[in-house]
Amino acid sequence: DTGVSQNPRHKITKRGQNVTFRCDPISEHNRLYWYRQTLGQGPEFLTYFQNEAQLEKSRLLSDRFSAERPKGSFSTLEIQRTEQGDSAMYLCASSTWDQRGDEAFFGQGTRLTVV
Amino acid sequence: GEDVEQSLFLSVREGDSSVINCTYTDSSSTYLYWYKQEPGAGLQLLTYIFSNMDMKQDQRLTVLLNKKDKHLSLRIADTQTGDSAIYFCAEMSGGKLIFGQGTTLQVKP
Repeated sequence: DTGVSQNPRHKITKRGQNVTFRCDPISEHNRLYWYRQTLGQGPEFLTYFQNEAQLEKSRLLSDRFSAERPKGSFSTLEIQRTEQGDSAMYLCASSTWDQRGDEAFFGQGTRLTVV
Repeated sequence: GEDVEQSLFLSVREGDSSVINCTYTDSSSTYLYWYKQEPGAGLQLLTYIFSNMDMKQDQRLTVLLNKKDKHLSLRIADTQTGDSAIYFCAEMSGGKLIFGQGTTLQVKP
C-alpha cells in the first residue's frame, strides 16, 4: 500500500461546472476525512466517514457539496455549480481509529482552480 | 469551542534548535499532532502524542504537552535547511482533526 491516493492532482474548471474528486485511503483504515485548504491557512474540516457512514458535515459544506463512501473504501467529493471561491486544495486523509492510536495520513491533495 | 492557535513565523540558524508552540481549547482531545507541509505538497505526519503523556521523543523531534495549560510544543534539534516548511499543530476533537494556521519555519544557512 502506497498511502492515501487522490485523483486528479489538479483540476481547472469553468465556473458553473460540476467536478468530482476521488480519494483512495490506506486499505485497512476505517476513517476517511475531507479537508479544504486555501493559501496561507490550515486545513479546514469538511466531512468524515467511519466505514460507509458519514458521521459529520461541516457547516462550510454547502448544499453544492456532497461526499460519498459507498462501500467503506474509496470516497468521492462532488462540487456542483462551482464558484471561484471553491478554488482551493482539497485534501483527503484516512486513519484506523482504534486502541493502538489514531495516525491520520493525508494524500497529496487535489488542487481545484475555478476560472 | 474548537480552536488551535500557533505563531505564524519562526526563523532559526542551521544547527540551532527550533521550538514551535501551539495552544488548543478542547480539554477532551485524545491525540495531538504535528504535521509538516512543504510547498505544493500534502501534509506529512511527523509525530503525535496521546493526551495522557507529557513528552514524546522521536529522533530529532521532541513533543511536550502541558495538558493543564493546553499547550503543545515541537522541538526540532539540530535544525537543517531541509526542515524549512510549514508546521501544523492539530487536535483530535469530536472525532475530527482541527488544525492551527501553521507556523512557517525558515532555516538560515
